[in-house]
Amino acid sequence: RKEVEQDPGPFNVPEGATVAFNCTYSNSASQSFFWYRQDCRKEPKLLMSVYSSGNEDGRFTAQLNRASQYISLLIRDSKLSDSATYLCVSIPYNQGGKLIFGQGTELSVKP
Amino acid sequence: EPEVTQTPSHQVTQMGQEVILRCVPISNHLYFYWYRQILGQKVEFLVSFYNNEISEKSEIFDDQFSVERPDGSNFTLKIRSTKLEDSAMYFCASSVDYNEQFFGPGTRLTVL
Repeated sequence: RKEVEQDPGPFNVPEGATVAFNCTYSNSASQSFFWYRQDCRKEPKLLMSVYSSGNEDGRFTAQLNRASQYISLLIRDSKLSDSATYLCVSIPYNQGGKLIFGQGTELSVKP
Repeated sequence: EPEVTQTPSHQVTQMGQEVILRCVPISNHLYFYWYRQILGQKVEFLVSFYNNEISEKSEIFDDQFSVERPDGSNFTLKIRSTKLEDSAMYFCASSVDYNEQFFGPGTRLTVL
C-alpha cells in the first residue's frame, strides 16, 4: 500500500467551481500534514498545513481525520491560476523531517 | 521574501562523471534536505541534514551520494559516478524546524 495515496485525477472544472481533493495515508505515526502545489516542471510550493481542527486560508480549506487517516483539500470559486498539481504530504515521526509525497492530483480550471 | 536558490538550473553530464549540485538555503533555517523527482513520478526524499550531520537518508541515498555544508551558506549534493537513472529534477529544501519546508527551483540533471 502506498504511504500517501491521492485521487488519480485529472480534474477538469470550470472557473468558479468548487473542487475537493482527497488523500489517505498508511502510517498512523505521521505527525504533520501539508498540501503543496506544483506547477509543471517547477518546485513544490507550500499551500497550507493541515490541522485536526481543520483550517482555512481564503478559498482553501483543509481537513484532517486521524481516525480515518484521511486528508482533504477544498477549493472554492476556482480560478484559472489554480490550475496545477496538488500534492498531499505527510511527515512521519522521528524520521528527520522526511516529507512523504503523494503522486499528486492534477487540476485544470477552464474559462 | 527569502527564497532557497539552486545552481545550476540544468546540468548535463556523461555517465560515470561526478556532479555537484549547489543550494543556498534560507538564511535563518537550520534543517536542510534534498529531494528528487524523476519525470512523471512523485517527489522522493533523499536526505535530511541538521547540525552538520545527516539526520535521515533514504534507500536511494547510497554510497554514490554525499552532502556537505562547506560554509555558512551553501549546501551541496554530490553524486560521485552518475548513472543514467540519476537523471531527474533535484530539489533542495530548508526549514526552521522539522515542519514546513520551502523548496528551491531545482536542478535538472541529465545523464547521457
